[in-house]
Amino acid sequence: GAVVSQHPSRVICKSGTSVKIECRSLDFQATTMFWYRQFPKKSLMLMATSNEGSKATYEQGVEKDKFLINHASLTLSTLTVTSAHPEDSSFYICSARATGDQPQHFGDGTRLSIL
Amino acid sequence: GENVEQHPSTLSVQEGDSAVIKCTYSDSASNYFPWYKQELGKGPQLIIDIRSNVGEKKDQRIAVTLNKTAKHFSLHITETQPEDSAVYFCAASRDSSYKLIFGSGTRLLVRP
Repeated sequence: GAVVSQHPSRVICKSGTSVKIECRSLDFQATTMFWYRQFPKKSLMLMATSNEGSKATYEQGVEKDKFLINHASLTLSTLTVTSAHPEDSSFYICSARATGDQPQHFGDGTRLSIL
Repeated sequence: GENVEQHPSTLSVQEGDSAVIKCTYSDSASNYFPWYKQELGKGPQLIIDIRSNVGEKKDQRIAVTLNKTAKHFSLHITETQPEDSAVYFCAASRDSSYKLIFGSGTRLLVRP
């Protein structure tokens, strides 16, 4: 149980393109979803927390107009990197947790490469 | 803000030996401490977690200990196997619904 699916797993696109990443909880309802960014051989940096039906809470230093988050249902959250540039290249990972005293479960990440 | 320090950054052990990874945290209000295993190109996978009302928790070859007074917690892997090779992250949180603060990770290599 507690499977989180993230799609796509890999994206390569030109500078200026907007890229949408989907995060789905397959076998549970996710009250809260989290979006992280991970640089090579580094730890996970929390970008934002999203609760179903409400606006995402962004961490300090994360541009909310650059990284658009939508959590429209209890099983789906999306992260859109708008007008992506090479410095946005990274490994983006989502996690989801159910209501109550439940841990976070992670997707397998999306490797984004901006040329 | 909360800070979680993790040591060592790399750890190499012989198959069958034990591995220990240690973390310290700064926020005394933290009471939830999960451990994640991340394999290359994958997302982190929860392997064990502990709450502050418990001092130790064990699941087969994996155990976690917590010393709330000293604000540190450790992951113990016994009888290591090559498939245990991965990056391990500790994390701390005020509760499981709150955001996680991750340690910097430990790259574990189990030599056959």
